[in-house]
Amino acid sequence: AQRVTQPEKLLSVFKGAPVELKCNYSYSGSPELFWYVQYSRQRLQLLLRHISRESIKGFTADLNKGETSFHLKKPFAQEEDSAMYYCALKRPGNTGKLIFGQGTTLQVKP
Amino acid sequence: NAGVTQTPKFQVLKTGQSMTLQCAQDMNHEYMSWYRQDPGMGLRLIHYSVGAGITDQGEVPNGYNVSRSTTEDFPLRLLSAAPSQTSVYFCASSSWAGPKKLFFGSGTQLSVL
Repeated sequence: AQRVTQPEKLLSVFKGAPVELKCNYSYSGSPELFWYVQYSRQRLQLLLRHISRESIKGFTADLNKGETSFHLKKPFAQEEDSAMYYCALKRPGNTGKLIFGQGTTLQVKP
Repeated sequence: NAGVTQTPKFQVLKTGQSMTLQCAQDMNHEYMSWYRQDPGMGLRLIHYSVGAGITDQGEVPNGYNVSRSTTEDFPLRLLSAAPSQTSVYFCASSSWAGPKKLFFGSGTQLSVL
């Protein structure tokens, strides 16, 4: 069964500090992994996906198959990064399930 | 551009009542899904649909029914509401192939007393 674990409910950092939001997954094959973000009073939206290997709003995430992790990183946090972040996993191919983790609230203090 | 529209935004039910949460999208997306969001539990998939006439169960389907008679609409029915169904419900859609970039609705906050 596929499972996504985000071990931190809350991560609090100061502006300008590095940020790492942890995501570990359980799946025996090669999954597709995503980060979604929910800013205050906004809809949940896609932040980035591992297959694109992109940097969005300064965030990057690398898939580590050996450690089954997909941690989200940003070198210098900004106050506007404060939000709820969800890691999500999908099996490869045209399957119908996108499974989310428990979510981590990032609080960036001034 | 409306995107994904959910109604109602808020609802209070008594135990045992039934109701339907509405979801409509205007992006011609094949894939639609329902999630519930609970503190500490994250988002959990209730049901999903890969096209009109096709639905399947997610992680927590018990107590919920869905149907997909058109591409645009994907209503979620609570047949006999229970306090455990108190949650925030999100509808989301995606163009096929596969639910990669999901577009979410604004959510329905449901309380069951």
